[in-house]
Amino acid sequence: KQEVTQIPAALSVPEGENLVLNCSFTDSAIYNLQWFRQDPGKGLTSLLLIQSSQREQTSGRLNASLDKSSGRSTLYIAASQPGDSATYLCAPGGSEKLVFGKGTKLTVNP
Amino acid sequence: NAGVTQTPKFRILKIGQSMTLQCTQDMNHNYMYWYRQDPGMGLKLIYYSVGAGITDKGEVPNGYNVSRSTTEDFPLRLELAAPSQTSVYFCASRSHQETYQPQHFGDGTRLSIL
Repeated sequence: KQEVTQIPAALSVPEGENLVLNCSFTDSAIYNLQWFRQDPGKGLTSLLLIQSSQREQTSGRLNASLDKSSGRSTLYIAASQPGDSATYLCAPGGSEKLVFGKGTKLTVNP
Repeated sequence: NAGVTQTPKFRILKIGQSMTLQCTQDMNHNYMYWYRQDPGMGLKLIYYSVGAGITDKGEVPNGYNVSRSTTEDFPLRLELAAPSQTSVYFCASRSHQETYQPQHFGDGTRLSIL
């Protein structure tokens, strides 16, 4: 059974910092890994999807990497802004289903 | 483009009552999912469907039922509601293509059972 751990559970940083969110998973036989953002009281928004054949994906100030063999992924956020404050969830997936971590709650202070 | 629409947004039920959570998507996606999210926890998969007429259990299916008669709709039925089913329920969908496509989520239904 896939187990997903996200560290840290919460993170508070001043505006402008670069930061890294970590995700580890126990079963390396995955098809893909997605990073999502969740704002309070809202659904999830897909940020980045890394196919199993890829090592990283970039979108604007976000960069996600994937190391299947070690069961790890990182989400790098450059030059953080208060608008980045949200919970970030990692979800490795098989051909049909995703398994979610509990998320990292990020607060970016002005 | 509405995406994934869930109704109702909020609902309070009494123990033992039943209800149906509605989910519809207008993106012609084959795959649809139901998740629940408890406070401070990640999402847990209840049921999913790979196409009309096909459904399968996820990690936590007990106490729930689903049907998929059309591509657009994937309702979730709660029978004999219990306090343990108090949660936020999310519906999601994704396209089936050669490469895996991201899941798109609705805004959720917040359900309290008292």
